[in-house]
Amino acid sequence: AQSVSQHNHHVILSEAASLELGCNYSYGGTVNLFWYVQYPGQHLQLLLKYFSGDPLVKGIKGFEAEFIKSKFSFNLRKPSVQWSDTAEYFCAVNPSTDKLIFGTGTRLQVFP
Amino acid sequence: SQTIHQWPATLVQPVGSPLSLECTVEGTSNPNLYWYRQAAGRGLQLLFYSIGIDQISSEVPQNLSASRPQDRQFILSSKKLLLSDSGFYLCAWGTSGGAEEQYFGPGTRLTVT
Repeated sequence: AQSVSQHNHHVILSEAASLELGCNYSYGGTVNLFWYVQYPGQHLQLLLKYFSGDPLVKGIKGFEAEFIKSKFSFNLRKPSVQWSDTAEYFCAVNPSTDKLIFGTGTRLQVFP
Repeated sequence: SQTIHQWPATLVQPVGSPLSLECTVEGTSNPNLYWYRQAAGRGLQLLFYSIGIDQISSEVPQNLSASRPQDRQFILSSKKLLLSDSGFYLCAWGTSGGAEEQYFGPGTRLTVT
């Protein structure tokens, strides 16, 4: 069955630290890839997406993600986190259907 | 611009009571509509999705059902709630074809007592 794995369940960082959140998926065909973010008390919203082209995708608020097809990965990165990045982050895969398959999420806490 | 509404925002219901959660979308036509349940540590579980009026696909067999009586209205229901139905329910819409991103509503926090 298709699945998305986020191995980091809870990440705690200090401001200015670098961030990398892992995302791996199990699907052999063409996929669209997404990272969503849910800030405390807010709607789930799109952070960035990859459909095709340059495998390094830049999103909002300085986030980026790299699609590595050979590793079935789409890791999220930010070189220097801020307190306002405290949120829950979800990786999602769309395997060319009408559905998104979400990972279990990673809770990020950033301390000033 | 498109907006998505869900109500109620919070709900406390006793076991065995019925449930009706409503989701409506404005500013788009013929959207794909989705119901998810979000549980801590378990991510978002897709419950139902719909590509058109009266076209509902169920992803997980359970105590819930969904209906789409109008193009931009999606309803999640139950005849008799269970304790295990407690959770945070999210509605989302996406463009037809499914390759694009989905847009999420504010959610409903359901507590079954």
